[in-house]
Amino acid sequence: RKEVEQDPGPFNVPEGATVAFNCTYSNSASQSFFWYRQDCRKEPKLLMSVYSSGNEDGRFTAQLNRASQYISLLIRDSKLSDSATYLCVVNSGGSQGNLIFGKGTKLSVKP
Amino acid sequence: EAGVVQSPRYKIIEKKQPVAFWCNPISGHNTLYWYRQNLGQGPELLIRYENEEAVDDSQLPKDRFSAERLKGVDSTLKIQPAELGDSAVYLCASNRDSYNEQFFGPGTRLTVL
Repeated sequence: RKEVEQDPGPFNVPEGATVAFNCTYSNSASQSFFWYRQDCRKEPKLLMSVYSSGNEDGRFTAQLNRASQYISLLIRDSKLSDSATYLCVVNSGGSQGNLIFGKGTKLSVKP
Repeated sequence: EAGVVQSPRYKIIEKKQPVAFWCNPISGHNTLYWYRQNLGQGPELLIRYENEEAVDDSQLPKDRFSAERLKGVDSTLKIQPAELGDSAVYLCASNRDSYNEQFFGPGTRLTVL
């Protein structure tokens, strides 16, 4: 089993749609969780950290289920500018572990 | 504040040739990372530095790859000799310490012919 697995995608959705990405991780010792966004031919950038209680940033909501080792990202009211690849990221264990990136899920928002 | 700087942005070489990538992290960032990202994959860590010390190089293919960060600031990643399978984007990232958000540079896109 890979350390971080994501929905294969691509997700093609119309503007205004709600879209959800899922991710599972294998290391139960992981402490930190993130979603990064990567535009085509650009570097990854932090979208949001994921906390146990769940957290929201505008149209974006992240959830963490430690028991199931599952992370999700919900995007409401999709915009054309949301088109990108979304990378699920988990630290490898312990508070200073290295980051392990999933393959990413590509989102394409159409007019 | 300037971001992570990498050069060159693009490099095309023939197999068996050497190649080097340079990274200058954000000022004050003690931790520096080199990643490799293959097409359709997420970044994979090659090496992590805390100041000038390589604290994790377990994923660095040491037969052909080497890295240095002599003064604990900028860093160089070298491949010698390059192989076809080394074609990828090489990303450098930094943060103030390993607890904080990592900031990535634009990457060097390497093509080995």
